[in-house]
Amino acid sequence: AQSVTQLGSHVSVSEGALVLLRCNYSSSVPPYLFWYVQYPNQGLQLLLKYTTGATLVKGINGFEAEFKKSETSFHLTKPSAHMSDAAEYFCAVSKGSSASKIIFGSGTRLSIRP
Amino acid sequence: DAGITQSPRYKITETGRQVTLMCHQTWSHSYMFWYRQDLGHGLRLIYYSAAADITDKGEVPDGYVVSRSKTENFPLTLESATRSQTSVYFCASSDTDRGYEQYFGPGTRLTVT
Repeated sequence: AQSVTQLGSHVSVSEGALVLLRCNYSSSVPPYLFWYVQYPNQGLQLLLKYTTGATLVKGINGFEAEFKKSETSFHLTKPSAHMSDAAEYFCAVSKGSSASKIIFGSGTRLSIRP
Repeated sequence: DAGITQSPRYKITETGRQVTLMCHQTWSHSYMFWYRQDLGHGLRLIYYSAAADITDKGEVPDGYVVSRSKTENFPLTLESATRSQTSVYFCASSDTDRGYEQYFGPGTRLTVT
């Protein structure tokens, strides 16, 4: 069965600092991996996704994530945080191309200090 | 407008009442989903549908009923609301040609008193 663990329910960084949000997954088949962002009082929107191919995936708003099979990780990074990055971030996994359901992690709230 | 919409956006109801949350998408996506979001639990799947007239249970289906007579609509009904069903509910849709990327509605905040 698929599962996702997000390490740290709350991360706080200074504006301009590196953002690192951690995600580990378990999957019995090659997974599809996703990062979604949720701004206050809004639905989730896709930041980036890994399906196959290149393991470093670039997304919107300067975010990127690297699929590391040996570590079963898909950490999200951004070199320089902006105030507008403050939001809730969700990592998610699906059973590759064979399933439509996605399993979400419990989320990490990112705060940006001025 | 194209997209996925939910109504109402906010709802307060009393314990024991029936409540229906509406979801409408304009993309003709095959798959539609209902999630609830609660602090500390992330998003939990309630029900999903692979096509019109095809629905299946998710992780937390008890107390909820769904139907899908048309591809674009996927209403969620709480037959007899309980306080534990106070939550934010999100509808989403996806399709195979999008790599199962899910598109989310804005959510419905439901309070059961």
